[in-house]
Amino acid sequence: EPEVTQTPSHQVTQMGQEVILRCVPISNHLYFYWYRQILGQKVEFLVSFYNNEISEKSEIFDDQFSVERPDGSNFTLKIRSTKLEDSAMYFCASSDRDRAYGYTFGSGTRLTVV
Amino acid sequence: EDQVTQSPEALRLQEGESSSLNCSYTVSGLRGLFWYRQDPGKGPEFLFTLYSAGEEKEKERLKATLTKKESFLHITAPKPEDSATYLCAVQSLSGGYNKLIFGAGTRLAVHP
Repeated sequence: EPEVTQTPSHQVTQMGQEVILRCVPISNHLYFYWYRQILGQKVEFLVSFYNNEISEKSEIFDDQFSVERPDGSNFTLKIRSTKLEDSAMYFCASSDRDRAYGYTFGSGTRLTVV
Repeated sequence: EDQVTQSPEALRLQEGESSSLNCSYTVSGLRGLFWYRQDPGKGPEFLFTLYSAGEEKEKERLKATLTKKESFLHITAPKPEDSATYLCAVQSLSGGYNKLIFGAGTRLAVHP
């Protein structure tokens, strides 16, 4: 069964450092997303991406965040200057045009900012 | 404001003891309601999408139903491997086609 692959599974970084979280969505999907889940809290929408541009973003997704699809397979989330409160599980997801089968989520990257 | 509330927060069942999880939602027009299963340290795993009141979907021991205000996930004769957190999420007409709004989830533990 096709899956969304995220790397690394766990990243520890110092406050103020830049991090790039990587995702390989399902190959025939057209829509790509990032969500995050702070420990013990709800899963929260960050951003959606379609046709090489951001189609929607939440208030969480400020100037410190950016997304990119650098080639035909990868989808990345960059946090420019990490803060302690950025510590969370970050999930990449993708969907096809119909979204009939929902969104397929990856296993996540646990980001720890120290 | 669009909102999703799940109850109970946690549920402990004996193997074979059927029960239901509730998802109440307040949205300005429902585009779709999604149920996911999440295991510890993993991403949400898609279970069902429901689009209109009266709709029902089934998969193995799980059955999801939808009304205009809430959705239920019925678990029939659960097994220990059904233990997980079950998440409900909605897409609203005003919230944008791309955004899922999640509830806090129900942590289900099924004991032998």
